[in-house]
Amino acid sequence: DIQMTQSPSTLSASVGDRVTITCRASQSISNWLAWYQQKPGKAPNLLIYQASSLESGVPSRFSGSGSGTEFTLTISSLQPDDFATYYCQQYNSHPYIFGQGTKLEIK
Amino acid sequence: QVQLQQWGAGLLKPSETLSLTCAVYGESFSGYYWRWIRQAPGKGLEWIGEINHSGSTNYNPSLKSRVTISVDTSKNQFSLKLSSVTASDTAVYYCARGRTVGISPPRYWGQGTVVIVSS
Repeated sequence: DIQMTQSPSTLSASVGDRVTITCRASQSISNWLAWYQQKPGKAPNLLIYQASSLESGVPSRFSGSGSGTEFTLTISSLQPDDFATYYCQQYNSHPYIFGQGTKLEIK
Repeated sequence: QVQLQQWGAGLLKPSETLSLTCAVYGESFSGYYWRWIRQAPGKGLEWIGEINHSGSTNYNPSLKSRVTISVDTSKNQFSLKLSSVTASDTAVYYCARGRTVGISPPRYWGQGTVVIVSS
């Protein structure tokens, strides 16, 4: 199985900050990577697919990059609504493993 | 707009079989992969498996011996069965559909079903 490792596990930041979350795959997954945002008690919300494509309706302050084994999710200017947990997921090969999550907290 | 509505027993005893169903509204069943994903309390997301409209399945190897995912295209529903449950199967279970036909990440999600395994 492909393993997905996110860093950091927790990130403290302030409104207006630019933040980056990293996801590394244990082997190449080309660009078959998605990013999700999850808030407590809710289902995950798809933000980015194919590593860098913004899902319809998602604010443009979210962006994704990378290919192969290293990927990043960047939020250009944090808004109050962005404090949540973020997950990456590879869908290159089964099983479609998720990263362990990054909790974005208010500093 | 596609909507997924799921239901099933929320309280099970160890060794019982978990059974959940997800109904799909507003979209054709064909061409998509239909997924089950779970999240244990305070933990991350775990991909359980998927099925397409013709019944082809892929399961997480860690659960494969206990999981069955099936589809009923006449009702636009798909189901999850997980046998011999233990306390470690306590989780919120989600059904989901990919954003597009074929290989794509989950975009549409059910509301989630809390399943507790306790004697």
